[in-house]
Amino acid sequence: GQQLNQSPQSMFIQEGEDVSMNCTSSSIFNTWLWYKQEPGEGPVLLIALYKAGELTSNGRLTAQFGITRKDSFLNISASIPSDVGIYFCAGHYNNAGNMLTFGGGTRLMVKP
Amino acid sequence: DTGVSQNPRHKITKRGQNVTFRCDPISEHNRLYWYRQTLGQGPEFLTYFQNEAQLEKSRLLSDRFSAERPKGSFSTLEIQRTEQGDSAMYLCASSFPPPGKQFFGPGTRLTVL
Repeated sequence: GQQLNQSPQSMFIQEGEDVSMNCTSSSIFNTWLWYKQEPGEGPVLLIALYKAGELTSNGRLTAQFGITRKDSFLNISASIPSDVGIYFCAGHYNNAGNMLTFGGGTRLMVKP
Repeated sequence: DTGVSQNPRHKITKRGQNVTFRCDPISEHNRLYWYRQTLGQGPEFLTYFQNEAQLEKSRLLSDRFSAERPKGSFSTLEIQRTEQGDSAMYLCASSFPPPGKQFFGPGTRLTVL
């Protein structure tokens, strides 16, 4: 089945720094999504991408749908302590039903 | 708040007992999903409903698991004869076309002793 590899697995950064993380797949996707999850809560949708090459922003977050349709990137600018959490990428392929396939997550820690 | 809600938030049970979880989706969403998440992993798909019809089931959904969505509104997930390996966070999500853009509830944390 499809596998999503997310990297890095964890990051420990200083407040104010920019953050980059990425997700790669062995197969193509039609939709890429990025979620943030905090302890004891469900994932919260941050950004959805629908077209190869698409670049979308949500405040300090920017995500891109890779042109090969096999990867996606998330950048966070000027990190703040409340950015702490686990960031998951997820992919959807139209011919694979309605399930989302998730990566393993990137744990972000921000030092004030 | 009109987001996805799940009850209970936490459930502790003994091995062999049956448990049932409830999910109330966003009201205008006709699609509802169940996922399971174990510690340190991303969510894994279990099953999908469009309105009241269960259209997809993962091989992860063993015979001990059953899900329903009567009248196409809320959904229940029942686990019979629970095992310690069933301990996980059970997440519900809902969506409206286009497919893929799913909104998750807060989850039910199940601990099987």
